[in-house]
Amino acid sequence: LAKTTQPISMDSYEGQEVNITCSHNNIATNDYITWYQQFPSQGPRFIIQGYKTKVTNEVASLFIPADRKSSTLSLPRVSLSDTAVYYCLLTDSWGKLQFGAGTQVVVTP
Amino acid sequence: GAGVSQSPRYKVAKRGQDVALRCDPISGHVSLFWYQQALGQGPEFLTYFQNEAQLDKSGLPSDRFFAERPEGSVSTLKIQRTQQEDSAVYLCASSSGLADILEQYFGPGTRLTVT
Repeated sequence: LAKTTQPISMDSYEGQEVNITCSHNNIATNDYITWYQQFPSQGPRFIIQGYKTKVTNEVASLFIPADRKSSTLSLPRVSLSDTAVYYCLLTDSWGKLQFGAGTQVVVTP
Repeated sequence: GAGVSQSPRYKVAKRGQDVALRCDPISGHVSLFWYQQALGQGPEFLTYFQNEAQLDKSGLPSDRFFAERPEGSVSTLKIQRTQQEDSAVYLCASSSGLADILEQYFGPGTRLTVT
């Protein structure tokens, strides 16, 4: 599985939109782009997954350009409870996950 | 509905002791994964089961680590002769195994401290 690169940390204020960009230059044809969220003392939680273009759910949006070499997770109007580590991963057909260090997002009042 | 559960939540072992960590996946989930998470790091893949078959154990760090899922549901991760470097959170995850549904559901983890 190809590796991903994402910022180590990001700070935001409540109510703002947070965009986390992930680079994956060596993404394979059968790779999906998946994002997980992890709070302290909890296991990671699936947020969103996409293959190309744009995916939106009740939690976030995922933007993937045509070349698929990067992706951007967008968290609209964050709250204090969105403070967590966010992981960008590439997943293949049977789902083995290869986590990096993730992006620590800190939301302040 | 019940999620993935793990027990114990915390385990303290003296160096050299054997430990067994249990994972109860979501009922009906075919796929089961074990990960190891060191402090401040992302989880690292250890092993993968599809039903009772262990299809990938490439992430197990040494032959002291052994995992089983004999009936295709509950899984146990066993670590023999624990070492200090084994101290970590051990996460279990399960998924339906369907090719178009790749979401994994994680348990809360077992924090192992080797003294």
